[in-house]
Amino acid sequence: EDQVTQSPEALRLQEGESSSLNCSYTVSGLRGLFWYRQDPGKGPEFLFTLYSAGEEKEKERLKATLTKKESFLHITAPKPEDSATYLCAVQGLYNFNKFYFGSGTKLNVKP
Amino acid sequence: GAVVSQHPSRVICKSGTSVKIECRSLDFQATTMFWYRQFPKQSLMLMATSNEGSKATYEQGVEKDKFLINHASLTLSTLTVTSAHPEDSSFYICSARGKNRGVETQYFGPGTRLLVL
Repeated sequence: EDQVTQSPEALRLQEGESSSLNCSYTVSGLRGLFWYRQDPGKGPEFLFTLYSAGEEKEKERLKATLTKKESFLHITAPKPEDSATYLCAVQGLYNFNKFYFGSGTKLNVKP
Repeated sequence: GAVVSQHPSRVICKSGTSVKIECRSLDFQATTMFWYRQFPKQSLMLMATSNEGSKATYEQGVEKDKFLINHASLTLSTLTVTSAHPEDSSFYICSARGKNRGVETQYFGPGTRLLVL
């Protein structure tokens, strides 16, 4: 069964302290892996789509990487405004209408 | 800017009334729209998938007669919570899939907070 596991559940960082969030997945054929940021009381905001192992994408302090089993969201020198819940989702090749979401990592960056 | 909008952002209603939530794709035509429900501190739960002009496909355990979905055009989908009860109180989020600037992806609306008294 297709599934997504994110770790850690919660992460506290000091401002400037770089770290990584993990998204492990099992899917029968990967069409795409998506990262979203969600602020409290808001809908998820699209960050990245990764399609194949070895692919990397960057946006400001965020960098997403993908292997055949997992994806990492690296946060370099985070700022308090990076505090949010980061969601990972995978889309399978054979049922591409479904996004399988992980439970998210709640990131708190302290000044 | 936002590519998917939802209206209303918040709604409070009495038990037994029906509530309609609109979802619009602003910058693109959405071939497929999705409705999710999110409980506090939990991830998104897919309720149904709809394609323009056809009936929605509901996930297991989601009552079709309770949550009516209409995908009238390539830019508009509505979710009607019929005869709402307190247990229907939740955060409802729509999502639209389409091509924006040549890239196909799935964008989410800002969500609608429903409180049923």
